[in-house]
Amino acid sequence: NAGVTQTPKFQVLKTGQSMTLQCAQDMNHEYMSWYRQDPGMGLRLIHYSVGAGITDQGEVPNGYNVSRSTTEDFPLRLLSAAPSQTSVYFCASSHRLAGDTTGELFFGEGSRLTVL
Amino acid sequence: DAKTTQPTSMDCAEGRAANLPCNHSTISGNEYVYWYRQIHSQGPQYIIHGLKNNETNEMASLIITEDRKSSTLILPHATLRDTAVYYCIVSDYMDSNYQLIWGAGTKLIIKP
Repeated sequence: NAGVTQTPKFQVLKTGQSMTLQCAQDMNHEYMSWYRQDPGMGLRLIHYSVGAGITDQGEVPNGYNVSRSTTEDFPLRLLSAAPSQTSVYFCASSHRLAGDTTGELFFGEGSRLTVL
Repeated sequence: DAKTTQPTSMDCAEGRAANLPCNHSTISGNEYVYWYRQIHSQGPQYIIHGLKNNETNEMASLIITEDRKSSTLILPHATLRDTAVYYCIVSDYMDSNYQLIWGAGTKLIIKP
């Protein structure tokens, strides 16, 4: 199993450009999510999905779009990049357990984005 | 906002037990306590979670007080590779789903 795979690992954008961060998991997990992490801080939830065709907003959704057309893939789209979106982005997935919250989250290695 | 309070940093000698405290005084009856760690800038790694009973796995033990307002993560024999930021997280009910809202964590430094 590859686990959770994120691409690209590094990206530099200019203000106003758009791009998509890819996330794929091969563990047949129902739950997938995107977080951003700014220096010295914890992770903040951007968007999440509890299954194919279902997405919802997290704490900091503005400026980002997601879709979940398959169980395996959960891409994150930056519509018009801004310097405030410079951050490290993590994708995570898990089985959703009855009575539990998110189950054990498996994380990708991160995508480091710089917006100039 | 995160529902937990942790010390900013802690030191521990290699080979000793590392005890990381966490306060979560507003926890509700069906909310779990999760611990993750993040080594350097890698993706966070799951350690353990629990509801009200103490839990143990191959990595650590989780001790939750009877009133559930605080917990302690115990790494029984810390090694240099345990140097990391440790996050204590209580789930939060958002839009019909539970989510993990992360704080800044505790930076644990294991010293030789």
